[in-house]
Parts: sequence; C-alpha cells; structure tokens
Amino acid sequence: DADVTQTPRNRITKTGKRIMLECSQTKGHDRMYWYRQDPGLGLRLIYYSFDVKDINKGEISDGYSVSRQAQAKFSLSLESAIPNQTALYFCATSWGGRATDTQYFGPGTRLTVL
Amino acid sequence: AQKITQTQPGMFVQEKEAVTLDCTYDTSDPSYGLFWYKQPSSGEMIFLIYQGSYDQQNATEGRYSLNFQKARKSANLVISASQLGDSAMYFCAMREYLTGNQFYFGTGTSLTVIP
Repeated sequence: DADVTQTPRNRITKTGKRIMLECSQTKGHDRMYWYRQDPGLGLRLIYYSFDVKDINKGEISDGYSVSRQAQAKFSLSLESAIPNQTALYFCATSWGGRATDTQYFGPGTRLTVL
Repeated sequence: AQKITQTQPGMFVQEKEAVTLDCTYDTSDPSYGLFWYKQPSSGEMIFLIYQGSYDQQNATEGRYSLNFQKARKSANLVISASQLGDSAMYFCAMREYLTGNQFYFGTGTSLTVIP
C-alpha cells in the first residue's frame, strides 16, 4: 500500500462548485503540504501544516482552504472553483526538524475546472 | 530572488551516455538540504537523492550523483549510463532549516533519452 494517498485521482468540475481533495499518510510524519503544479512553473506551495494545530499559508493560498483532521489526514478545499485552478495537485509529507529530511509525495490529483 | 534556479528547460542525451542537470540555489541559511526528484510522464514525484549543506562528500545513489559546489551554490544532478526510462522531468529542491523547513522547487528540466 502507498504511504501517501490522495483522493480523488482525477476530478472534473464546473466553475463555482466546492471541491475537496483529501490526503492520507501512513508514514507517521508530522508535516504535511499541499502543492499545485502548472506546466513551466514547477511546484508551488499552497498550504502546509506542522501538526494538527499549526497550519500555515504558502505562496498561493488565495482561493484555497485546508483542514488537518488528524496527524495522518490533510484536506484541501476549493470553496468556489475557477478555471485557473485547473492543475495537478500534490500532497506531501515529511519529518520536521532536519533540513535533510526529504518530502514524500502522493500520486497527485488532476483537477479540471470547466 | 528565486531560491532554486534550473536553467535548462529541456535536455537530450544519448542512451548509455552521462548527463548533467544544472541547479543553483540561493540561501543565507547555513543549514539546508538539497534534493532531486524525478517526475515521469505518469505524474508521480519520485525522490532520487539529497545532499546536506554540511556534508563533505558528494551524495551518490546508484547511477545518480549530486555534484555539490557549495561556494558556487550549485547542486547539479549527474545521471550516468542513461536509460530510456530516465526520460522524465527532473526537479531540484531546497529545504532551509531556519525558515520553517519549507521546501522550494525549481521549474524543472525535461530530459529525453535518445535510443
């Protein structure tokens, strides 16, 4: 079984709809992250959480919200989806504390907003 | 200023040859980590290799090595004996200790291995 899972893997929705992307991990990591990937722009950080009570905005948080329901679960919501939120979304996890600890990524969610 | 810069949008290499993917970084934090990830066409992000800022020797993992030049702030990925399966996007990333352990990613290099 994968250590970091994301649901759904693919989603097509319409402008104005509320969408939730879910992430679960079995690695026991304390830190969780949401990124979006657009062609030519690499990965951009949306939100990150160091533990259940510590949630921080990333580079591009406008239009998104998150919830850390448990150490193992981190959800990303688009309250009112718009077409320029069409992208590949990744959840990632890591240990805190050491700069040399890597991130582990989920398989990604392809979101299309029509 | 960009934290991570990858100046090669696309690279081609002959099968079985070695290839170097460039990455430069910008930080004033003395404690940081540098990472490379591979993203094949299927989309997943695969961790390849990392280098710590205090590591004296260059990191190696199988056919991957990281050419770490601290004074130049570069962390180039070297892939030896390229294989067709190496065709993918490659991302360089940095994690700074003092700034809350955020990760910063470059824009990626698309590598194509030619048979």
